[in-house]
Amino acid sequence: SQKIEQNSEALNIQEGKTATLTCNYTNYSPAYLQWYRQDPGRGPVFLLLIRENEKEKRKERLKVTFDTTLKQSLFHITASQPADSATYLCALGNNNDMRFGAGTRLTVKP
Amino acid sequence: EAEVAQSPRYKITEKSQAVAFWCDPISGHATLYWYRQILGQGPELLVQFQDESVVDDSQLPKDRFSAERLKGVDSTLKIQPAELGDSAMYLCASSSDPAIQYFGAGTRLSVL
Repeated sequence: SQKIEQNSEALNIQEGKTATLTCNYTNYSPAYLQWYRQDPGRGPVFLLLIRENEKEKRKERLKVTFDTTLKQSLFHITASQPADSATYLCALGNNNDMRFGAGTRLTVKP
Repeated sequence: EAEVAQSPRYKITEKSQAVAFWCDPISGHATLYWYRQILGQGPELLVQFQDESVVDDSQLPKDRFSAERLKGVDSTLKIQPAELGDSAMYLCASSSDPAIQYFGAGTRLSVL
């Protein structure tokens, strides 16, 4: 069956460091992969989209990589700030089908 | 900036009662989704509309859940009767490109 795994439930890092979150998947061939941010009690907010023929995407302090051979995406936040503390969800999509991982809760300590 | 509107934000009900959630998507978005998110898990699709037509409701518990989008704009999700296991966040999203979905703030349902 299809599976999406995000590296850990929680990740704690120091302000200014780079946060790296992992999304691994099995038994699925996504046409695209997305990363969302979710704050407690709120809906997910779209951050970045990367398609299967792209290796890397950047947006300000965010960078996402997509390796369809390893079936893995890495999401990086450089120069992290306490305001980056949230849960980050990866989602894989193909045509009209989209599936979410359980998320990784990131805490950036000042 | 346009947003997906959902109401109510919170709903507390007793089991066996009926509840309804409302969603108004971003103007012009033909596709509307209802998701259920249990605490600590990712959102799971319940139903997807393209305009007023249901595209996918394979995960919707049809014995108690119903959804409609009569005029292809706003949508209502209903649960009757509510069960304890229905306690969750109910999220609505809309899109003009299936690769990018815009979510509302959600309705937090507590069934007592």
